[in-house]
Amino acid sequence: KAGVTQTPRYLIKTRGQQVTLSCSPISGHRSVSWYQQTPGQGLQFLFEYFSETQRNKGNFPGRFSGRQFSNSRSEMNVSTLELGDSALYLCASSWYFGGGNEQFFGPGTRLTVL
Amino acid sequence: KNEVEQSPQNLTAQEGEFITINCSYSVGISALHWLQQHPGGGIVSLFMLSSGKKKHGRLIATINIQEKHSSLHITASHPRDSAVYICAVSAYGNKLVFGAGTILRVKS
Repeated sequence: KAGVTQTPRYLIKTRGQQVTLSCSPISGHRSVSWYQQTPGQGLQFLFEYFSETQRNKGNFPGRFSGRQFSNSRSEMNVSTLELGDSALYLCASSWYFGGGNEQFFGPGTRLTVL
Repeated sequence: KNEVEQSPQNLTAQEGEFITINCSYSVGISALHWLQQHPGGGIVSLFMLSSGKKKHGRLIATINIQEKHSSLHITASHPRDSAVYICAVSAYGNKLVFGAGTILRVKS
């Protein structure tokens, strides 16, 4: 079974631009969660999607948004990029929504904002 | 105070040593996760547990729900165990709240 895939793996943008990151979960998994990892703040939860609906949201500004498609693939979008948005963005999939589900992480997208 | 606290932050061990990493949390949880992250970023789920003890190869994870505490043990450590080990808890949905991580270096 293929693992979680994320595209692109690396991205360089400039301040003010917007970016879209993609995540394809493991086949059969219906929940996708997104996380941001920075040296200063560590790993932080962005949002979770299940059955095309956002089920849970972290404490991030509205510039961060996401969506999930009927095939469970998910995208996240960051608008009006700031230098502080430079980070590793990870997605994780699990088969269902609800606590107590093992999560499988993708390799991440490393975003650099200049 | 962070919801998930890990100790130690850094750990250097000699090959073959027994290693323990501790995790304390302050919220009600549905499960606790131990994750491993190698340089380059990829995260691997090692254990997910809500009670008792689990073992996989040389790795053992325990949790005490009453004391809100978990430990990850590595027996007969090896240089390939060098990585960042992260404790995380899930309380609602699949949202994970993470500890700061423990940087482990095993010297040969």
